[in-house]
Amino acid sequence: AQSVTQPDIHITVSEGASLELRCNYSYGATPYLFWYVQSPGQGLQLLLKYFSGDTLVQGIKGFEAEFKRSQSSFNLRKPSVHWSDAAEYFCAVGIGNDMRFGAGTRLTVKP
Amino acid sequence: AAGVIQSPRHLIKEKRETATLKCYPIPRHDTVYWYQQGPGQDPQFLISFYEKMQSDKGSIPDRFSAQQFSDYHSELNMSSLELGDSALYFCASSRLAGGSYEQYFGPGTRLTVT
Repeated sequence: AQSVTQPDIHITVSEGASLELRCNYSYGATPYLFWYVQSPGQGLQLLLKYFSGDTLVQGIKGFEAEFKRSQSSFNLRKPSVHWSDAAEYFCAVGIGNDMRFGAGTRLTVKP
Repeated sequence: AAGVIQSPRHLIKEKRETATLKCYPIPRHDTVYWYQQGPGQDPQFLISFYEKMQSDKGSIPDRFSAQQFSDYHSELNMSSLELGDSALYFCASSRLAGGSYEQYFGPGTRLTVT
């Protein structure tokens, strides 16, 4: 069955520390891959996307993600987290115009 | 740049009432998607429209219906509301004709059923 897995429900990091949020997918073909961020009570903001080409993609707010076909993963990274990065992060995969979201990872940033 | 517009932003209804949520996609976008996000949940796909025709259907209850109009705006109609319908409802749009599957999300409508 097609699925998107974000293994970490909640992650806490200290401000200035590095961050990696995991995302794995299970699809028959290579899907389109997205990372969205959602602040409490707010809409979803696209951080970055991968369609094809270079497997390391750069996004907004200093985020990047790397597509690894062999691992069916699309992990999100940031070298130095800021307090304003505290939010819920959703990985999403799409086949055509059919998009499915992971369960989300809540990021807490300690001062 | 213009974004996806949703109205109303907040809506309070009682059980068994009806509600209509509206979505105005980004200009020149041809596809609209509706999602439901319960408290602490990930967004669940409900339904989508491409060029005013239903293109895909997800976990949309039979009590809900939706359509896309000639000006590409979309409405989600919800009848016989239940307490469990309380959620954040997102609309997203994309321009599939341009080969882009990137969905741009609106700010959402928060529906509270009492």
